[in-house]
Amino acid sequence: GENVEQHPSTLSVQEGDSAVIKCTYSDSASNYFPWYKQELGKGPQLIIDIRSNVGEKKDQRIAVTLNKTAKHFSLHITETQPEDSAVYFCAATPRSSASKIIFGSGTRLSIRP
Amino acid sequence: NAGVTQTPKFRVLKTGQSMTLLCAQDMNHEYMYWYRQDPGMGLRLIHYSVGEGTTAKGEVPDGYNVSRLKKQNFLLGLESAAPSQTSVYLCASAAAGGLDEQFFGPGTRLTVL
Repeated sequence: GENVEQHPSTLSVQEGDSAVIKCTYSDSASNYFPWYKQELGKGPQLIIDIRSNVGEKKDQRIAVTLNKTAKHFSLHITETQPEDSAVYFCAATPRSSASKIIFGSGTRLSIRP
Repeated sequence: NAGVTQTPKFRVLKTGQSMTLLCAQDMNHEYMYWYRQDPGMGLRLIHYSVGEGTTAKGEVPDGYNVSRLKKQNFLLGLESAAPSQTSVYLCASAAAGGLDEQFFGPGTRLTVL
């Protein structure tokens, strides 16, 4: 079945710097890759997603890149701000079962003032 | 629109006790999911439903049962709670299964003593 690995597990960056979180997946037929942000005491919320027919997608300060050949995708946050502090999860939808998604283990991002 | 709501928010059980967690959504979504969230392990799928009256097993179904008698509600039951079931339980709903955004509730924090 699909397996999603996420690195690093914790990340601390200076406010204003960039942050990068990386994920790899095992199912080469996976075709949907969302990223979720979870703030303290809340459920995860979708922040950006990418489909397998696209290599990069941007939304203001966040961007996601997808390398289908290497089976990895990354989240990039530029000009980090205190409100970016949260836990981030990547995920992938296996082609064999489009009813569900498989999540990575999460990255706790802290922004230092 | 309340989105996805979960009841209760917190619960403490003794080993062997039973309980039911309720998830409700008002977005008319076909798909609903129960996850457990443990430190360093991401979100693991317990059970899910692709429509009213249907249920299916996820990655970690043992010790849990579910029911989807009404489209808007998805119940998660623990028949005989064990300390290993201490976790945060997250419910989600989606219109298009694993191919689009999942909307999460705020979670239920369960402690089994």
